[in-house]
Amino acid sequence: DAKTTQPPSMDCAEGRAANLPCNHSTISGNEYVYWYRQIHSQGPQYIIHGLKNNETNEMASLIITEDRKSSTLILPHATLRDTAVYYCIVSGGYQKVTFGTGTKLQVIP
Amino acid sequence: SAVISQKPSRDICQRGTSLTIQCQVDSQVTMMFWYRQQPGQSLTLIATANQGSEATYESGFVIDKFPISRPNLTFSTLTVSNMSPEDSSIYLCSVATDRVGNTIYFGEGSWLTVV
Repeated sequence: DAKTTQPPSMDCAEGRAANLPCNHSTISGNEYVYWYRQIHSQGPQYIIHGLKNNETNEMASLIITEDRKSSTLILPHATLRDTAVYYCIVSGGYQKVTFGTGTKLQVIP
Repeated sequence: SAVISQKPSRDICQRGTSLTIQCQVDSQVTMMFWYRQQPGQSLTLIATANQGSEATYESGFVIDKFPISRPNLTFSTLTVSNMSPEDSSIYLCSVATDRVGNTIYFGEGSWLTVV
């Protein structure tokens, strides 16, 4: 079974921040939170990952709660090209990964 | 980062035939995995490809249907045997090193349609 729970779908206005939540209440101490996105029929694209500190890169920011049971991926200025299915997964990075159903983000003009 | 090349990217196959998908990585990696993504669904792990030994299959997947080879640290193949229309899916290769917290990379996938 997947270790994460995400809302099935979200809408976001173009130019606004998209905040995608993820629950991972059973995460263990050595597991990281990873985010990927998949644009129709392409391979999952890596976005960002973190252990317990907040992380930021050129694509997004990752906010992890202090108890590590949930996190939020933030796309600061969503564009139409950010329309995709976003997957939150937990893994040690060297283990097999179980995917949940993800969140289908629709960016609206 | 690791660059993954999958071949073929797309194919149309006759039912009852078999097709082998190749996954080539541009650097040595410890872990290689194969996933299947059926239309409109999420990714499902088929197996872990182990170098020099038999692959480790997930529940619902068997070696006779999905034989896997991994001759070295940069290459693996997945064969889909005796295909039926239900095997029409995207098959994805994924790689990772054995370092905790490393990035897990995915190939672009091989889109198979069985007719």
